[in-house]
Amino acid sequence: GAGVSQSPSNKVTEKGKDVELRCDPISGHTALYWYRQSLGQGLEFLIYFQGNSAPDKSGLPSDRFSAERTGGSVSTLTIQRTQQEDSAVYLCASSLQGVTDTQYFGPGTRLTVL
Amino acid sequence: AQSVTQPDIHITVSEGASLELRCNYSYGATPYLFWYVQSPGQGLQLLLKYFSGDTLVQGIKGFEAEFKRSQSSFNLRKPSVHWSDAAEYFCAVGARNFGNEKLTFGTGTRLTIIP
Repeated sequence: GAGVSQSPSNKVTEKGKDVELRCDPISGHTALYWYRQSLGQGLEFLIYFQGNSAPDKSGLPSDRFSAERTGGSVSTLTIQRTQQEDSAVYLCASSLQGVTDTQYFGPGTRLTVL
Repeated sequence: AQSVTQPDIHITVSEGASLELRCNYSYGATPYLFWYVQSPGQGLQLLLKYFSGDTLVQGIKGFEAEFKRSQSSFNLRKPSVHWSDAAEYFCAVGARNFGNEKLTFGTGTRLTIIP
């Protein structure tokens, strides 16, 4: 079946603009994660959705970052008033239920803020 | 909170040689432990994971890892590397407590294979 898909694959924006990144998880996966991968920084956890539970937003770096997951499926990560330090690859992953299940990663969205 | 340290940023190994990538974690109890690989132009893929039981875990592509509680380590090994193993390797730790269902990743080790 289809894996995790993300769009767009690349996004170039100007400082101060808002951006939306989309993630389509694997069908039937109730857990969805967003990570940020910066050069030399590894993967930084941003937010975690599990079913209908309140999301774990503990990794969001500032209030400019927000995410939602509609209908328990597609998720959108929104960055408002983008800054140059937001430039990174944003990765989405989904798993069947929780932390013990294998996370399947999407190809990522490369965000460049000029 | 849990944390992961991968002390080697970059390792170069000859094809056919053995490999060991180091991973140390910090967590108050026995964590869930994972190794992921990110090949050039490809997404992250799970190599293996440890939850409990036998401390030596076998994974895909001939990799194995050993959980050592006394050393808080989960090192990844392969007896003979292939050129296709060149990639970035990430160790990750997950907490066992409900409400903390996330993985904390290390900064990664980039593996270069020379002929």
